[in-house]
Amino acid sequence: DAEITQSPRHKITETGRQVTLACHQTWNHNNMFWYRQDLGHGLRLIHYSYGVHDTNKGEVSDGYSVSRSNTEDLPLTLESAASSQTSVYFCASSLLAGAGNEQFFGPGTRLTVL
Amino acid sequence: EDQVTQSPEALRLQEGESSSLNCSYTVSGLRGLFWYRQDPGKGPEFLFTLYSAGEEKEKERLKATLTKKESFLHITAPKPEDSATYLCAGFTGTASKLTFGTGTRLQVTL
Repeated sequence: DAEITQSPRHKITETGRQVTLACHQTWNHNNMFWYRQDLGHGLRLIHYSYGVHDTNKGEVSDGYSVSRSNTEDLPLTLESAASSQTSVYFCASSLLAGAGNEQFFGPGTRLTVL
Repeated sequence: EDQVTQSPEALRLQEGESSSLNCSYTVSGLRGLFWYRQDPGKGPEFLFTLYSAGEEKEKERLKATLTKKESFLHITAPKPEDSATYLCAGFTGTASKLTFGTGTRLQVTL
């Protein structure tokens, strides 16, 4: 069955280290998204991509970067991890870019920055 | 600023006790709403898409409705397995960017 996976599921790192979270989908979806989820906030968009070599900033993109070299993967990199980036990170994908195309979410990565 | 507000924050029901969750929105150029269910430690799971006022969608014990200013998720005769956090998200015509509410945490007890 087609799916979306994230790895690692849990990660503990130290302030200042570079961290990369992986996201892989087998639906052949064009669009991929990264969100973070924190208590008191809804899911907030970090970066998104509409296809290979396309990346765009979301509302909370500072300190994060993504690259899209193929359809299946959108890794999220924290250039220099900060304690404020402790959160649960979700990757999502959708087939089309138009309004109303539901996004399908991965299981999440819980990141702790000490 | 685009905003989606869900209420109540938490709701505890007994099995069989029907109720409704509210999602109100002020999203510029709103084209519709998604409802998602999220279980602890998991990603959101898609439930419904609603596009226009008056539209209704149903799935098992859940029915989602949409007006011009808000959406409701009605839960009829809930069971313990309906316990989860329910999220709504507004979307506009500009691609796939969503504005999420903070969710309603539902607990259904025997």
